[in-house]
Amino acid sequence: GAGVSQSPSNKVTEKGKDVELRCDPISGHTALYWYRQSLGQGLEFLIYFQGNSAPDKSGLPSDRFSAERTGGSVSTLTIQRTQQEDSAVYLCASSPLTSGSYNEQFFGPGTRLTVL
Amino acid sequence: AQSVTQLDSHVSVSEGTPVLLRCNYSSSYSPSLFWYVQHPNKGLQLLLKYTSAATLVKGINGFEAEFKKSETSFHLTKPSAHMSDAAEYFCVVIMSPFSSGSARQLTFGSGTQLTVLP
Repeated sequence: GAGVSQSPSNKVTEKGKDVELRCDPISGHTALYWYRQSLGQGLEFLIYFQGNSAPDKSGLPSDRFSAERTGGSVSTLTIQRTQQEDSAVYLCASSPLTSGSYNEQFFGPGTRLTVL
Repeated sequence: AQSVTQLDSHVSVSEGTPVLLRCNYSSSYSPSLFWYVQHPNKGLQLLLKYTSAATLVKGINGFEAEFKKSETSFHLTKPSAHMSDAAEYFCVVIMSPFSSGSARQLTFGSGTQLTVLP
């Protein structure tokens, strides 16, 4: 079946521009996560959506970062006034999360963002 | 606080020899631990997971890991490396306890790049 998809696969932008990254989770998955993978580092949690609950934004590095999830499905991560340190691979994951136990997170292929 | 440390950033083995990728964790709770693999230009794939059942966990592609509470370790092993095993491997811990409403975001180690020599 279809996995998590992300678009674009690569994005090159100039410093100061805004960018939008898209994630299509697996159909029926209620939980959606955004992570950032910087060169030479592990993945860093950014934000989490679960159903209709308020998102957990505790991982967002600054107020230039925001995300929304429309209709409980597709999510968009927006970075305003991009900086060179925002260059990274942005990964989206979804999970059929239910309370009380861990469910596997399925990752998309990522969007490689380069800020010049 | 929860954290995970991968002791080697790079490991190089010859094809057919054993693989050992080391991971130590720190957790205030009973941890759930995972190993993910990332092949070049591909998404992360779950290799195996420990969630307080058997301490020796078997995963895909012949990999296994043993949870050792006394050593706070969760090392990944494979008896015989294959060329297709060359990839980056991440040891991961669940950030929060099992409670309703918690985000359960994953905390990743910094990764170990495995090279398999012919």
